[in-house]
Amino acid sequence: AQSVTQPDIHITVSEGASLELRCNYSYGATPYLFWYVQSPGQGLQLLLKYFSGDTLVQGIKGFEAEFKRSQSSFNLRKPSVHWSDAAEYFCAVGYTNAGKSTFGDGTTLTVKP
Amino acid sequence: NAGVMQNPRHLVRRRGQEARLRCSPMKGHSHVYWYRQLPEEGLKFMVYLQKENIIDESGMPKERFSAEFPKEGPSILRIQQVVRGDSAAYFCASSPQDQETQYFGPGTRLLVL
Repeated sequence: AQSVTQPDIHITVSEGASLELRCNYSYGATPYLFWYVQSPGQGLQLLLKYFSGDTLVQGIKGFEAEFKRSQSSFNLRKPSVHWSDAAEYFCAVGYTNAGKSTFGDGTTLTVKP
Repeated sequence: NAGVMQNPRHLVRRRGQEARLRCSPMKGHSHVYWYRQLPEEGLKFMVYLQKENIIDESGMPKERFSAEFPKEGPSILRIQQVVRGDSAAYFCASSPQDQETQYFGPGTRLLVL
């Protein structure tokens, strides 16, 4: 069975600092990987996705993520965090033929002024 | 192109009542997924439907929960005889045929008193 682990429940960074959110997955084949952001009381917005090809994926809002097969990781990064990035971030892994996604428990990001 | 729509956005029920949650997928999307998010947790897959068919209901509780996606109209998630433990945010997502990217609605927040 596939699983997703986000080791950090809560991260606090200063505005302007760099950010890395960790995500590890367990899956038998090459997975489809996603990062979503959720603001309080809102739905999920897709930041970026990896299906195949270049292992460094660019997303919206200045985010990027790198797929590392050897480490079973898909960490999310941003070089300079803005106060508006404060939210909850979810990593997810999907099947190959449009089916359910398995989500991590999320990482809450707090941005200090 | 309107996004995924869910209604109601908030729903309050007393124990023993029925809850009906509606999801209208994005135009042209024939795949619908329901997820549940308990407080402080990630999203947990419930059911995956195509028009008039349940494809995967492995995440649905065995009793009281049912889902449908009729030929015409929205997808419905129905919870009979609600209990306090059903209080959660219920998210619907849709995807185009044969594609893996899921687009999420804003969610329905169910509160059982």
